[in-house]
Amino acid sequence: SYVLTQPPSVSVAPGKTARITCGGNNIGSKSVHWYQQKPGQAPVLVIYYDSDRPSGIPERFSGSNSGNTATLTISRVEAGDEADYYCQVWDSSSDHPVVFGGGTKLTVL
Amino acid sequence: QVQLVQSGSELKKPGASVKVSCKASGYTFTSYAMNWVRQAPGQGLEWMGWINTNTGNPTYAQGFTGRFVFSLDTSVSTAYLQISSLKAEDTAVYYCASRLTGDPYFDYWGQGTLVTVSS
Repeated sequence: SYVLTQPPSVSVAPGKTARITCGGNNIGSKSVHWYQQKPGQAPVLVIYYDSDRPSGIPERFSGSNSGNTATLTISRVEAGDEADYYCQVWDSSSDHPVVFGGGTKLTVL
Repeated sequence: QVQLVQSGSELKKPGASVKVSCKASGYTFTSYAMNWVRQAPGQGLEWMGWINTNTGNPTYAQGFTGRFVFSLDTSVSTAYLQISSLKAEDTAVYYCASRLTGDPYFDYWGQGTLVTVSS
């Protein structure tokens, strides 16, 4: 089945920009969705279809997808952004269509 | 508003069974499939499969066949996950999740149910 690769951790200072990558074979041809999960809470969708934001998600969250890498970008990082972030794709050609990346722990220094 | 409310934490012994519930409200339950996602302690999200809430037909992901059963009670808008012959490695938080837009992402999640398997 399709594999998504994320860095285990990313660290960033408050006010700076965090970039979390999600690698996959020709991932640019797929739609990528991103979730934020804080400790003890359920995941929350923060980006869908590569770069769209659900209502209520700050404009500081953005996404892009091209080639073999999708990227979640968080601008002007705040302490409250510290969380685990997961990318996800729907691989319709597979009998295991829902694939999550391994997750990235974002630490705000 | 849409809500998925799951049953509370469970502590079970190895070899026992557990049934986790997920009660939906705020939308027509039979219009959208219910998915299940596992998260082992300190680990990532793992899709377990889904159940068609209209027909009751389940689809299980690799690694979740045999001991895992998805079921429904549409009269109370509730989906169930039953795990039999529990093992220590089944210890995890189990989430139900829905795609109410019909798009390929999960826009609503239950709060999660911690299942602990320990002697």
